[in-house]
Amino acid sequence: KQEVTQIPAALSVPEGENLVLNCSFTDSAIYNLQWFRQDPGKGLTSLLLIQSSQREQTSGRLNASLDKSSGRSTLYIAASQPGDSATYLCAVSLNSNYQLIWGAGTKLIIKP
Amino acid sequence: KAGVTQTPRYLIKTRGQQVTLSCSPISGHRSVSWYQQTPGQGLQFLFEYFSETQRNKGNFPGRFSGRQFSNSRSEMNVSTLELGDSALYLCASSSASGASYEQYFGPGTRLTVT
Repeated sequence: KQEVTQIPAALSVPEGENLVLNCSFTDSAIYNLQWFRQDPGKGLTSLLLIQSSQREQTSGRLNASLDKSSGRSTLYIAASQPGDSATYLCAVSLNSNYQLIWGAGTKLIIKP
Repeated sequence: KAGVTQTPRYLIKTRGQQVTLSCSPISGHRSVSWYQQTPGQGLQFLFEYFSETQRNKGNFPGRFSGRQFSNSRSEMNVSTLELGDSALYLCASSSASGASYEQYFGPGTRLTVT
């Protein structure tokens, strides 16, 4: 059974710092991995999608990497800003299924 | 291009009632998935529809059902509401085969059961 874990559960850093959020999954047979952000009381915004054949994806200050063999993905945020404060979730889709399996999220607070 | 829309945004119901939630996907998207989000269980997959067919279902009781119309709009119904059904219900649309492609989420419907 696929399980997705995100560490840490919460993170607070000063503005301007670079930071890394971690996501691990137990079954390497994934189709893709997606990172989302969720603002309080809101829906989910897709940040990056990495196909299983890819090693990383970049969008602006965000870079996501994927290592299927070790069951890990990282989301790197450069030069963090207060507007980056949100909960970040990773989710994997399985080869034989259409559903997303979710981590519990990392709540990120960027202090001005 | 308009995003995924969900109606209503907020609902308050009492135990035993039933509720219907609606989701309109991004134009051209044929796959719609539904998720339940609670503080205790996090995000959990309910079901996915593609071209009016339910292709996959999560581990929820039969009180949770859904359907998809020919224009790809989807509805989800919960019968005999329980307090534990209070949650944020999110739908997501995708351009191709469900979670194999990027999913785009609506703002959610906040359901409160009293």
